[in-house]
Amino acid sequence: DAGVTQSPTHLIKTRGQQVTLRCSPKSGHDTVSWYQQALGQGPQFIFQYYEEEERQRGNFPDRFSGHQFPNYSSELNVNALLLGDSALYLCASSLNGETGELFFGEGSRLTVL
Amino acid sequence: QKEVEQNSGPLSVPEGAIASLNCTYSDRVSQSFFWYRQYSGKSPELIMSIYSNGDKEDGRFTAQLNKASQYVSLLIRDSQPSDSATYLCAVNRGADSWGKFQFGAGTQVVVTP
Repeated sequence: DAGVTQSPTHLIKTRGQQVTLRCSPKSGHDTVSWYQQALGQGPQFIFQYYEEEERQRGNFPDRFSGHQFPNYSSELNVNALLLGDSALYLCASSLNGETGELFFGEGSRLTVL
Repeated sequence: QKEVEQNSGPLSVPEGAIASLNCTYSDRVSQSFFWYRQYSGKSPELIMSIYSNGDKEDGRFTAQLNKASQYVSLLIRDSQPSDSATYLCAVNRGADSWGKFQFGAGTQVVVTP
């Protein structure tokens, strides 16, 4: 049973660039959420996708956008990168309507120079 | 005031002792509560979930919830060196925000032999 997979695992970008992170949810899951975890902090909710639509959004600027594909996989795009965007980006999958467990991927470590 | 607050630690616990972790939350309508364990450089993994007032036990772990006091705790009995990690408290409001989990910054636990 495949868990949540994310790519790439590490990447380095410079300020102003754009980045795309990818996520495949756990088998059987249809909902994908993205979290940003800065060093020493807890994960911060970015947004959630279900049925290819953004259903909920946290307090992140419009530079952060996403997409969900018909196979439930998802992308997170960040434009005009800032130094403060350096963080671990976590994808979490779940089953629609369930308020229970989030299954996290291993994350994508983004460094902005 | 942060929505979910935890003591950052580190909490130093002798091997075999009980580790006690605390978490308070600000949103009174929160419905579900979770404890995640995160090893350094890894993604969070669920340890416990609790939805009703009282205690819930799972092996060496006990979660305690008091909604009136807006307080949730985690006890780790017979602490082992492998329990050394950061423990994240997560809260879900449910209803129209069911997909959005609020995380605390985490408590670092260090189990000393």
